[in-house]
Amino acid sequence: GAGVSQSPSNKVTEKGKDVELRCDPISGHTALYWYRQSLGQGLEFLIYFQGNSAPDKSGLPSDRFSAERTGGSVSTLTIQRTQQEDSAVYLCASRNRDLVSEAFFGQGTRLTVV
Amino acid sequence: DAKTTQPNSMESNEEEPVHLPCNHSTISGTDYIHWYRQLPSQGPEYVIHGLTSNVNNRMASLAIAEDRKSSTLILHRATLRDAAVYYCILRDGAGGTSYGKLTFGQGTILTVHP
Repeated sequence: GAGVSQSPSNKVTEKGKDVELRCDPISGHTALYWYRQSLGQGLEFLIYFQGNSAPDKSGLPSDRFSAERTGGSVSTLTIQRTQQEDSAVYLCASRNRDLVSEAFFGQGTRLTVV
Repeated sequence: DAKTTQPNSMESNEEEPVHLPCNHSTISGTDYIHWYRQLPSQGPEYVIHGLTSNVNNRMASLAIAEDRKSSTLILHRATLRDAAVYYCILRDGAGGTSYGKLTFGQGTILTVHP
């Protein structure tokens, strides 16, 4: 497909377990963003990638959160020792090099920590 | 980041025009005005963007005030599918440390009545 793909679409995990969320951006898009949206809330910026580097990690809420991007393409967001407050929809977006070009969002991964 | 102010909610009837306002009194000369919308249970999608001149596309029109301190998204004939949260976002076209990221506020919840 031509859009941003995220997997899994839904994830239920036990408190204290680690989870990995995956994002496949649109081919050729150099910029990639992760956002989090808690129930009924707005979107919260987490991290930005340009290529494989992450010049802006300012939104990561704690050191339990990390992300990487390989080959300038796929990105993985890892949450260690999950807590109930981590429950949210995690959204990934990508765009091409142009700073004002539109961002394309995936459908998100709904994470539920029980 | 320059801030935007939008009404919390608006209502419209189907097939009537909708004017969604946005105030951005601290906008800088390099800030582009972007609109995204988020339909229920989906990731945000791009609607339109502009810098100084009014813009039209297949989805909507964007009217930008002459002093650029406010703008209005116009849906010419609302449909039930247009019910969504609409976000007005300023995006720095000059780059720097904004990295082209989108900073989402609370947006306007648009309800469309049949």
